[in-house]
Amino acid sequence: GQQLNQSPQSMFIQEGEDVSMNCTSSSIFNTWLWYKQDPGEGPVLLIALYKAGELTSNGRLTAQFGITRKDSFLNISASIPSDVGIYFCAGQGATNKLIFGTGTLLAVQP
Amino acid sequence: NAGVTQTPKFQVLKTGQSMTLQCAQDMNHNSMYWYRQDPGMGLRLIYYSASEGTTDKGEVPNGYNVSRLNKREFSLRLESAAPSQTSVYFCASRVGQSAPQHFGDGTRLSIL
Repeated sequence: GQQLNQSPQSMFIQEGEDVSMNCTSSSIFNTWLWYKQDPGEGPVLLIALYKAGELTSNGRLTAQFGITRKDSFLNISASIPSDVGIYFCAGQGATNKLIFGTGTLLAVQP
Repeated sequence: NAGVTQTPKFQVLKTGQSMTLQCAQDMNHNSMYWYRQDPGMGLRLIYYSASEGTTDKGEVPNGYNVSRLNKREFSLRLESAAPSQTSVYFCASRVGQSAPQHFGDGTRLSIL
């Protein structure tokens, strides 16, 4: 089945560093979503993007909907230990079904 | 503020046993979804219900059946469990087809 290419697969950083991750697709999407999943829990929505070029922030998180509609990135500034988790991108196109990336595992060392 | 509630949280089955996973949402959402999550695979759609009274296959429907019991509840049934169905199952819902999906906390299912 179709999946998004999400990178990097994992990141190990020091507290206070900035983080960047991205997703690319061969298909055009109308919506990009970014989720965070903590151990033993379900994905929680962080940011939703609905328009090409859109740049949206949620606290220390910033995400952008790529101009080509085939990519998106998520930045986390000044990381803290509670940022630890798995981050997923998800795209939705004409089928109205969400396609998920394979996730980026983020570890933050205090 | 329950959101999406899944039961049970954990289950161990023997090969060939049957099992129904329950999902209920209290947000008056129209659409509901079942996914499975396997290591390195992200979330894959099993079945979905765009609105009450309708169900459709997703990416990996084989070995599963679903029932949209009412607007609140969407169940997933394994008629004859197989080891390949060992996974974490997530239910999600959303108000409409352009809205973000909200997820439950998952059911961890092991089949021996």
